[in-house]
Amino acid sequence: SAVISQKPSRDICQRGTSLTIQCQVDSQVTMMFWYRQQPGQSLTLIATANQGSEATYESGFVIDKFPISRPNLTFSTLTVSNMSPEDSSIYLCSATGHYEQYFGPGTRLTVT
Amino acid sequence: GENVEQHPSTLSVQEGDSAVIKCTYSDSASNYFPWYKQELGKRPQLIIDIRSNVGEKKDQRIAVTLNKTAKHFSLHITETQPEDSAVYFCAAMWNAGNMLTFGGGTRLMVKP
Repeated sequence: SAVISQKPSRDICQRGTSLTIQCQVDSQVTMMFWYRQQPGQSLTLIATANQGSEATYESGFVIDKFPISRPNLTFSTLTVSNMSPEDSSIYLCSATGHYEQYFGPGTRLTVT
Repeated sequence: GENVEQHPSTLSVQEGDSAVIKCTYSDSASNYFPWYKQELGKRPQLIIDIRSNVGEKKDQRIAVTLNKTAKHFSLHITETQPEDSAVYFCAAMWNAGNMLTFGGGTRLMVKP
């Protein structure tokens, strides 16, 4: 199984600012994903991070708000831009090489 | 797109009893069905999965069954223990390396 780390683990940010979350995998993986999880809720996919091409966003999420980078097969970043309190959530990255998908520990974001 | 429904949303059992969580999916092309356990403040952890060419899979006290015709799959936990208390998520994927669609989650409480 892949070991996935995320930085930062948590942050408190002011509205209008941006935060970049980093996701590192200990092995090369085909696909990386970014999810959002509100407290007590299920996981909602934000986008699929494709290596060498632009990310694919799900309905309700746009590149200007959540720009994603995937410079290589082990690393990805998600930026939450121009934050508002509604962006307060846990952001998780995941990775898969084939079927099994593993998750990072998450970044708990609070926007004040 | 795929839609996954999960029931019940909460489940309370006595230690030693069995627990069953059920999920239905909408896309007949889905062929991979994992189950995740998420403890409070932790990342989702893959506990068992099943592919569409298999009807049942067991791993010690947990088992998953799949009915492709009815498009539903279930998680069975036998001899429940307090440490089984967590939120469980089912998910479906239509092809290797693709996104997972998650169910709404089931909060399992095992009373000692």
